[in-house]
Amino acid sequence: EAQVTQNPRYLITVTGKKLTVTCSQNMNHEYMSWYRQDPGLGLRQIYYSMNVEVTDKGDVPEGYKVSRKEKRNFPLILESPSPNQTSLYFCASSPSARPYEQYFGPGTRLTVT
Amino acid sequence: GEDVEQSLFLSVREGDSSVINCTYTDSSSTYLYWYKQEPGAGLQLLTYIFSNMDMKQDQRLTVLLNKKDKHLSLRIADTQTGDSAIYFCAESWGRSGGYQKVTFGIGTKLQVIP
Repeated sequence: EAQVTQNPRYLITVTGKKLTVTCSQNMNHEYMSWYRQDPGLGLRQIYYSMNVEVTDKGDVPEGYKVSRKEKRNFPLILESPSPNQTSLYFCASSPSARPYEQYFGPGTRLTVT
Repeated sequence: GEDVEQSLFLSVREGDSSVINCTYTDSSSTYLYWYKQEPGAGLQLLTYIFSNMDMKQDQRLTVLLNKKDKHLSLRIADTQTGDSAIYFCAESWGRSGGYQKVTFGIGTKLQVIP
């Protein structure tokens, strides 16, 4: 089944404890993105990747890191999480840029205390 | 900067038509999209329209684009309870290297009353 998977789905952590949210797609898509969804703000892009080893900042990259060592995987790293990073995170992948038809993962709900 | 605006809430009766509206500000948008988010799930692409089109129909869904007013609408015919969800409007436009920048609206929650 073609899909985008994220792990973990739920995570409660404490301020400053490094964490990684994994994202994997099995559709051989070149483009991948990370978003955060907050009430009243919709989805905001954190980072995106156009291919292996090609990544760039989105609208809200502060406090996050990403890597794209393999085409299928695009992990999101929070080196020192803070409470303002409590949010619902989505990974997405797309086969092309025009149109940018994104396939979304199920989401990761992160709480930082 | 780029902005996409939607109303927050819409309530319709089962069997009626739903119309969800969206306005956008970027005149260079190349594609406009409608996504659906059901509770506890990620976003699902419903349909998209290229910016040189006025209308696109796909089964119960009709998308209308008014480029002059920068207004996009999604009409759902014969709305069913399974259509209850949050609907996101999004626009994309080209960046250097061919990548498409995407901006999402905050989402319209559609409630279908049986």
